[in-house]
Amino acid sequence: DVKVTQSSRYLVKRTGEKVFLECVQDMDHENMFWYRQDPGLGLRLIYFSYDVKMKEKGDIPEGYSVSREKKERFSLILESASTNQTSMYLCASSPRGGHTDTQYFGPGTRLTVL
Amino acid sequence: GQNIDQPTEMTATEGAIVQINCTYQTSGFNGLFWYQQHAGEAPTFLSYNVLDGLEEKGRFSSFLSRSKGYSYLLLKELQMKDSASYLCAAMDSNYQLIWGAGTKLIIKP
Repeated sequence: DVKVTQSSRYLVKRTGEKVFLECVQDMDHENMFWYRQDPGLGLRLIYFSYDVKMKEKGDIPEGYSVSREKKERFSLILESASTNQTSMYLCASSPRGGHTDTQYFGPGTRLTVL
Repeated sequence: GQNIDQPTEMTATEGAIVQINCTYQTSGFNGLFWYQQHAGEAPTFLSYNVLDGLEEKGRFSSFLSRSKGYSYLLLKELQMKDSASYLCAAMDSNYQLIWGAGTKLIIKP
């Protein structure tokens, strides 16, 4: 079974803090994604990566950066957290191959910025 | 622009059948996904359609009409554990997923 894990289920940070969200997958997937999920809105793609050290901006990259130094790990960084970044953050991975491969999601990190 | 529409909430009775509709507008099209998400949990894959027609998988079926930009998820013999949000997502010409806001399905005894 594919397993995608995220470093924290719940996180509370203060405005202006630097925040790191870690995601690890154990199935040797090439593709990894970071989304945020807010009530009444669909999943919104922040960044994605198709290979180590490779990153692409999604629909809402402002205020975020990412790092992929190893194939299994994809980190999301909030350089200076703001209250409008309070959200559920979901990491996903998928294998390369068919472009229609299923994305497998981690359990999510609910981030609250005070 | 790209857009996915699905109802916000639906209610159904245990043992009954429910159909959750999804309409989409995307730049190009490479398939339509349905995911299930229980409260506080990760979305999990249910189905993928790229050709017109009905795909059946146990109690769940998914239908696609490419000409109408329309899909539905059909759940039969509803069980209490089917209470969840159902997310529709269309893949565009860049192989990016465009997500709907999800339909919260409430099952009553």
